[in-house]
Amino acid sequence: GAVVSQHPSWVICKSGTSVKIECRSLDFQATTMFWYRQFPKQSLMLMATSNEGSKATYEQGVEKDKFLINHASLTLSTLTVTSAHPEDSSFYICSARDRKREGTGNTYEQYFGPGTRLTVT
Amino acid sequence: AQSVTQLGSHVSVSEGALVLLRCNYSSSVPPYLFWYVQYPNQGLQLLLKYTSAATLVKGINGFEAEFKKSETSFHLTKPSAHMSDAAEYFCAVSDTNLDTGRRALTFGSGTRLQVQP
Repeated sequence: GAVVSQHPSWVICKSGTSVKIECRSLDFQATTMFWYRQFPKQSLMLMATSNEGSKATYEQGVEKDKFLINHASLTLSTLTVTSAHPEDSSFYICSARDRKREGTGNTYEQYFGPGTRLTVT
Repeated sequence: AQSVTQLGSHVSVSEGALVLLRCNYSSSVPPYLFWYVQYPNQGLQLLLKYTSAATLVKGINGFEAEFKKSETSFHLTKPSAHMSDAAEYFCAVSDTNLDTGRRALTFGSGTRLQVQP
């Protein structure tokens, strides 16, 4: 149980184009999903928190107009990198919290997707 | 705000030797702590977690960690390393900001474990 998928697993796009990455919770409902980015040989940095049915909360320094997040259902959140540039090339990882575990001791546990490798040329 | 420090970006051990990966945290509230493993080009897999129950936590693949409040540490250990343990390991602390309800994770910088035959 608690499987999170991401699509695509890798994508190459040209500078100036937009790319959409999907994050799905396959066997549970997620009211909250998180988006992280990871540069080579570095740790994960939280970009934004995505809440179903409401606007995402972005971390300081993350451009909300560049990284559009939509969490339209309890099983799907999307991250769109708009007008991508080579410096946006990174590994993007999403995670999700199980709605059924809210309010329990397991509230803090997140389930991670396999990641999406974005390369902007 | 919470923070995590992982001492040693690279650790190399021989197969069969003890694995010790260090993690120290900073938190103004009782923390929830996690260890994750990441294999190349993959997401994160939860090894174990501490959520204010037993201070010695056992996880998957023979790993365990002990929460020591006095030392603000949550070191990861495994008695005998296996070649398949070679990976990147991340320690993380939860954001217990009940006002925002985010409960996001703050990660350490990671430790790459190499296992020599």
